[in-house]
Amino acid sequence: DTGVSQNPRHKITKRGQNVTFRCDPISEHNRLYWYRQTLGQGPEFLTYFQNEAQLEKSRLLSDRFSAERPKGSFSTLEIQRTEQGDSAMYLCASSLTSREETQYFGPGTRLLVL
Amino acid sequence: RKEVEQDPGPFNVPEGATVAFNCTYSNSASQSFFWYRQDCRKEPKLLMSVYSSGNEDGRFTAQLNRASQYISLLIRDSKLSDSATYLCVASPYSSASKIIFGSGTRLSIRP
Repeated sequence: DTGVSQNPRHKITKRGQNVTFRCDPISEHNRLYWYRQTLGQGPEFLTYFQNEAQLEKSRLLSDRFSAERPKGSFSTLEIQRTEQGDSAMYLCASSLTSREETQYFGPGTRLLVL
Repeated sequence: RKEVEQDPGPFNVPEGATVAFNCTYSNSASQSFFWYRQDCRKEPKLLMSVYSSGNEDGRFTAQLNRASQYISLLIRDSKLSDSATYLCVASPYSSASKIIFGSGTRLSIRP
């Protein structure tokens, strides 16, 4: 499968714990995006990378959230001291820089904070 | 007011019907527009891009009205498999943080 992959697919954690999610983009794609989606809403932009550089971050991304893409390939999203409000689907997408960018999404990581 | 607004539905239509969704966007700097389809508990998948001249892909037709800042999606001869949530997307070239998804319109096709 050459699409975007995410691990784990599901994560249940207790409030206050740290969690880390991984995203592997489509191999030739240089842009990688993280989104959060809650029930009944569309995906909300969190941050994006072009190669290894994190170029933009949403104000939704509090200081408990950090994302990295150290070698310009896979990316990790870490949430520290999780809160119940962090429960959501975390989606990763990748694209190839072009005039019209089409983003391809991974299957997401569903997080439940108890 | 949301930057991209859609009627949440649900639209419940019989198989074979024609159904149309509209979406409005508030950021006049938006340059690229898309419709994504999202099945229950799955990731969004690109359905089609939306061009100024309008475009068609089989039973699906997308149109853009820049003056009124709205985008439409028309589905003809609907199939049971078209049941899903349809997400409207508006995006400027200049800022990825401004890629905005609508909340989605739920469509349910009944036999």
